[in-house]
Amino acid sequence: EVQLVESGGGLVQPGGSLRLSCAASGFSFSGYAMSWVRQAPGKGLEWVASISGSGANRNYADFVKGRFTISRDNSKNTVYLEMNTVGAEDTALYYCAKDHEWGVVTATGADHWGQGILVTVSS
Amino acid sequence: NLMLTQPHSVSESPGKTVTISCTVSSGSISDSYVQWYQQRPGSAPTTVIYEYVQRPSGVPDRFSGSFEGSSASLTISGLQADDEADYFCQTYDNSHRWVFGGGTRLTVL
Repeated sequence: EVQLVESGGGLVQPGGSLRLSCAASGFSFSGYAMSWVRQAPGKGLEWVASISGSGANRNYADFVKGRFTISRDNSKNTVYLEMNTVGAEDTALYYCAKDHEWGVVTATGADHWGQGILVTVSS
Repeated sequence: NLMLTQPHSVSESPGKTVTISCTVSSGSISDSYVQWYQQRPGSAPTTVIYEYVQRPSGVPDRFSGSFEGSSASLTISGLQADDEADYFCQTYDNSHRWVFGGGTRLTVL
């Protein structure tokens, strides 16, 4: 059974930093691209970033503007999202998602999702 | 920028069939895979359709996907109260950035 468990969220001050983690199990982790998607309170889904199975290819949403970094450690079956210089607009539930297609260089869409982790940016 | 447009809401009675559309702002919907996600209130999204028409294991065959021209569609037949949720379509642009539709609230009357 595929499981994705996010951690690392919480309250952070504007301009601060946070690192989210997503621990994966139940599938061949290194063979799948992974993504982070967020959802602000009462809003729709918004893609944040994706990373290929090897970690060599990364894509980011324009709003990230160099503030966030997606990475992965295939020896730990974990994908990360390093968030820097956060602002109130980054307050959201952050979901980790597994790509549906094995071996693709770039993520195309999810077939499994984590339960999400809340990030609140406030002073 | 690529955009996906969905109706804000749809409603239908139990046992009936409902179709939710997802229209791409430019180009053909067949340029990139389309996925459909269901999100019940207070829950994480789940995937009901990927690659336009494929159903993940465990998703009932009441859910089906299709596409033609500039639109993809999600059809749910034999509506059940449990289907009441928000539904989001998703694709990606030529820079492999994901794009989501604004979501459609399905109400089962």
